[in-house]
Amino acid sequence: QVQLVQSGSELKKPGASVKVSCKASGYTFTGYAMNWVRQAPGQGVECMGWINTNSGNPTYAQGFTGRFVFSLDTSVSTAYLQISSLKAEDTAVYYCARYLGSVRSLDSWGQGTLVTVSS
Amino acid sequence: EIVLTQSPGTLSLSPGERATLSCRASQSISSSYLAWYQQKPGQAPRLLIYGASSRATGVPDRFSGGGSGTDFTLTISRLEPEDFAVYYCQQSVTSPLTFGGGTKVEIK
Repeated sequence: QVQLVQSGSELKKPGASVKVSCKASGYTFTGYAMNWVRQAPGQGVECMGWINTNSGNPTYAQGFTGRFVFSLDTSVSTAYLQISSLKAEDTAVYYCARYLGSVRSLDSWGQGTLVTVSS
Repeated sequence: EIVLTQSPGTLSLSPGERATLSCRASQSISSSYLAWYQQKPGQAPRLLIYGASSRATGVPDRFSGGGSGTDFTLTISRLEPEDFAVYYCQQSVTSPLTFGGGTKVEIK
């Protein structure tokens, strides 16, 4: 079955960087785009963008350019989200989610990774 | 950018009651590109409805979606205890996709 397993919680200081991983299994990794979704504490979900797992080409939503980088290692079916120059307002749960084109929606989600930015 | 506005923000109902959630788009979208998700505390969102009205695998038939153009609805015919959660609509007409602000269905 399709599974997305994310790396564990992170506690970082302002100005540091973090890299969140999302390991996929149960399907052909390069056949489906991977989205990244952020949820700040007590807030709704917002899409940060997505990465084409075939070409490696990323697309970033407004507000997620510059410090945010999506990348892949197709040899281990893993997508990554790296955030640099962390700020307190980056504190959130970050989810990876597979985009299924036949239903035009996110059909499988990782369990989420809590990134806490605090001095 | 297509903005999705969900209403109400919170819906207070009792088990067994009917819930009707609204999602309004800032411009007309094909129903093929509208989905609904359920999120319970501490969990990732779960796909409920895609194509505005098709239930995802394993979703009970008390959940139904409808609408077209700019106005879409998610209906829960009879609320079960496990249905109290937050619900989000999402559009995939434009990339990146966007979500509505969510409707919390809480126990009255």
